[in-house]
Amino acid sequence: AQSVTQPDIHITVSEGASLELRCNYSYGATPYLFWYVQSPGQGLQLLLKYFSGDTLVQGIKGFEAEFKRSQSSFNLRKPSVHWSDAAEYFCAVSTGNQFYFGTGTSLTVIP
Amino acid sequence: GAVVSQHPSRVICKSGTSVKIECRSLDFQATTMFWYRQFPKQSLMLMATSNEGSKATYEQGVEKDKFLINHASLTLSTLTVTSAHPEDSSFYICSALLGGALWETQYFGPGTRLLVL
Repeated sequence: AQSVTQPDIHITVSEGASLELRCNYSYGATPYLFWYVQSPGQGLQLLLKYFSGDTLVQGIKGFEAEFKRSQSSFNLRKPSVHWSDAAEYFCAVSTGNQFYFGTGTSLTVIP
Repeated sequence: GAVVSQHPSRVICKSGTSVKIECRSLDFQATTMFWYRQFPKQSLMLMATSNEGSKATYEQGVEKDKFLINHASLTLSTLTVTSAHPEDSSFYICSALLGGALWETQYFGPGTRLLVL
């Protein structure tokens, strides 16, 4: 069965440090991949998406993600985290027939 | 572009009453909208897929008679929680699909927090 795994439930980083949030998927073909961010009490905002082409995709707010087919991964990165990046991050996968969300990674940013 | 609104943003109601939540795509037409439920510190749980002009498709375990979904136009879907009980208290989020295929991007509303007393 298809699934999306975000291994890290919670991550704490210092402001200005780099960030990588992990996402692994299980699917026989190449899925469509998304990263969303959710601030407390808010809906989800699309950060970036990958459909095809260049495996390194740029998103909003300085985020990027790299699709690695061999590792079935789509990790989200940011070179320098800002305090406003503290939020919940969800990886999502679409197979074309179904849409799956990961369980989320909560990011805390310390001064 | 691709803005989705939800109304109300929060609602408190008495047990046994019904509550309607609206989801609107403001600047695009959405033949497909989704309704999710989110419990504190958890991921989104898909409740149902709403298709304009047809009956909604409910996920397993979701009571269709309790959570009534209507998608009467290309920009509006409504979720009515009938005879609400305290266990229905949750954060409800809708999304609208930009484009006709499921691999297109979902754009999310800001959510509605429901508290049933």
